[in-house]
Amino acid sequence: EVQLVESGGGLVQPGGSLRLSCAASGFTLSNNLMKWVRQAPGKGLEWVANINQDGSEKYYLDSVKGRFTIFRDNTKNSVYLQMNSLRAEDTAVYFCATLAIWGQGTLVTVSS
Amino acid sequence: SYEVTQPPSVSVSPGHTATITCSGDALPKKYVYWYQQKSGQAPVLVIYEDSKRPTGIPERFSGSSSGTMATLTVSGAQVDDEADYYCYSADSSGNYWVFGGGTKLSVL
Repeated sequence: EVQLVESGGGLVQPGGSLRLSCAASGFTLSNNLMKWVRQAPGKGLEWVANINQDGSEKYYLDSVKGRFTIFRDNTKNSVYLQMNSLRAEDTAVYFCATLAIWGQGTLVTVSS
Repeated sequence: SYEVTQPPSVSVSPGHTATITCSGDALPKKYVYWYQQKSGQAPVLVIYEDSKRPTGIPERFSGSSSGTMATLTVSGAQVDDEADYYCYSADSSGNYWVFGGGTKLSVL
């Protein structure tokens, strides 16, 4: 079965860090541009970051630039999102996705 | 930062045609993608590269783009099509992407 599974979400205090992981199965991740997308409670989808197939090109939403880092390990068929200096406004469900394949998301809650 | 704009809501009677628009300055040169998201679920791609339909998506979903506006059309809308629909596209550099604010489609 073709799927993406995110993990690593949870409750973190403002200023804290989390690393999200996204593991692919049933297909080869290295053939795909990958993105992270988030959705705050009751809100719409928001693109967060992209990484190209070999990891040489990365692009970020302005509000996360300098705080978040997207990277991938094609040998592990996985992509990651390192999130530092977290803020309350980063609270959301985070999805990893190719163009057409999406995970079910992992919830990140930033609160004291 | 770049934005694409959608109407917040569209209503249609069952069996009739719904149209959802997406406008953005870069659309004449950039593809638009459309996602359907039902409550509590991950998004599903229903149209890619303006007008192409992925395998498994019903033929009643179609897309088009002209100038700075793209359109998602649901012909013969069904109650099961009730969902939030998002357009997705890139800025003129092709490196920074954006979702529209989403359109809630009501079929009633």
